[in-house]
Amino acid sequence: ETGVTQSPTHLIKTRGQQVTLRCSSQSGHNTVSWYQQALGQGPQFIFQYYREEENGRGNFPPRFSGLQFPNYSSELNVNALELDDSALYLCASSSSGQRRLFGPGTRLTVT
Amino acid sequence: AQSVTQLGSHVSVSEGALVLLRCNYSSSVPPYLFWYVQYPNQGLQLLLKYTSAATLVKGINGFEAEFKKSETSFHLTKPSAHMSDAAEYFCAVSDLRDDKIIFGKGTRLHILP
Repeated sequence: ETGVTQSPTHLIKTRGQQVTLRCSSQSGHNTVSWYQQALGQGPQFIFQYYREEENGRGNFPPRFSGLQFPNYSSELNVNALELDDSALYLCASSSSGQRRLFGPGTRLTVT
Repeated sequence: AQSVTQLGSHVSVSEGALVLLRCNYSSSVPPYLFWYVQYPNQGLQLLLKYTSAATLVKGINGFEAEFKKSETSFHLTKPSAHMSDAAEYFCAVSDLRDDKIIFGKGTRLHILP
């Protein structure tokens, strides 16, 4: 397994700014999902992409958007950052019949 | 809608004692159930997964969980706690249709020497 990697590890942004977080999926995994984990909470599902199309979304506003690329890397974009967006953002990749793998996360701090 | 409730945000056990972390789920369809572990400043690692086969599921690091449909429970156990088990544990549920996972709020396990 090559695993799932995320970048950057940590990020500090100011309220109102925009941020892009990146994820590189396990080789061969065609599904990627993103989660937001606020401090002291469980991860919350943001959305999922399958073969470059969004195919599921949690209770997050449209300023949270994503992309999945043909090489199975993906991005999470957040516009108009708010203080409550401060969290650990996790991506996970999977494929039918294969174990879902989580990345180590990106810690976003909004000041 | 699916949901997961973990009873106890913090659990403390002595080294060598039984570990029991409680999880109850709600699902309108046959669920997949998971337990994940998260060590400080790390991502999530799958401990075990229930997918409607055997109701007693064995995972890594000596953990196991039993699916009880009548009680809608999926409690995690380990016979003898080790200091290295100190971490945050998350119970989670998904269904076959959309594959997204719904997590509980987590239980932090403390191991007392």
